[in-house]
Amino acid sequence: DADVTQTPRNRITKTGKRIMLECSQTKGHDRMYWYRQDPGLGLRLIYYSFDVKDINKGEISDGYSVSRQAQAKFSLSLESAIPNQTALYFCATSDRGSGSPTQYFGPGTRLTVL
Amino acid sequence: GENVEQHPSTLSVQEGDSAVIKCTYSDSASNYFPWYKQELGKRPQLIIDIRSNVGEKKDQRIAVTLNKTAKHFSLHITETQPEDSAVYFCAANRGSGYSTLTFGKGTMLLVSP
Repeated sequence: DADVTQTPRNRITKTGKRIMLECSQTKGHDRMYWYRQDPGLGLRLIYYSFDVKDINKGEISDGYSVSRQAQAKFSLSLESAIPNQTALYFCATSDRGSGSPTQYFGPGTRLTVL
Repeated sequence: GENVEQHPSTLSVQEGDSAVIKCTYSDSASNYFPWYKQELGKRPQLIIDIRSNVGEKKDQRIAVTLNKTAKHFSLHITETQPEDSAVYFCAANRGSGYSTLTFGKGTMLLVSP
């Protein structure tokens, strides 16, 4: 089945380290998103991309950067990780061409910054 | 930008009871309102959505209602079952296009047998 995958699923790192989280999808969707989830705060949008050449900041982009390497791949980087970036990170996709705005989520990456 | 408020943050019901979760939004241009269910340790999954040209939508035991004038929408689950226990998120799109979503903070629903 077409799916959204994320690697790694779990990561523990230290303050100041550079970290990359990767997202791949086989759904053929053009739009991709990165969210972080914190207890009691819901899902907050970090960055999104509507096309390979399109990158947009979300509501909490400070301290993060992204790269859209191909239609199927969207990576999130933490340039210098800090403890308050400890969270569950989700990638999501949607398909403009289908006319449906439904977003499909990956399984998540649990990141711990010590 | 869009602001989505969700209540309650936790909801405990007995099996067979109904559960109602309410959300309000701020952007009058929003026209798409999905609900996602997230089981423990799993990814959020769409369970139902509604667009602004419809006031109510049902799918078996779940229904969503929308009041555009008051800018609020609600999720209704009837005949709750233990497997309905999860965190539920409402969301609204930003602006009139199907662009990005702003999510509420979530409601943890606990259904006791």
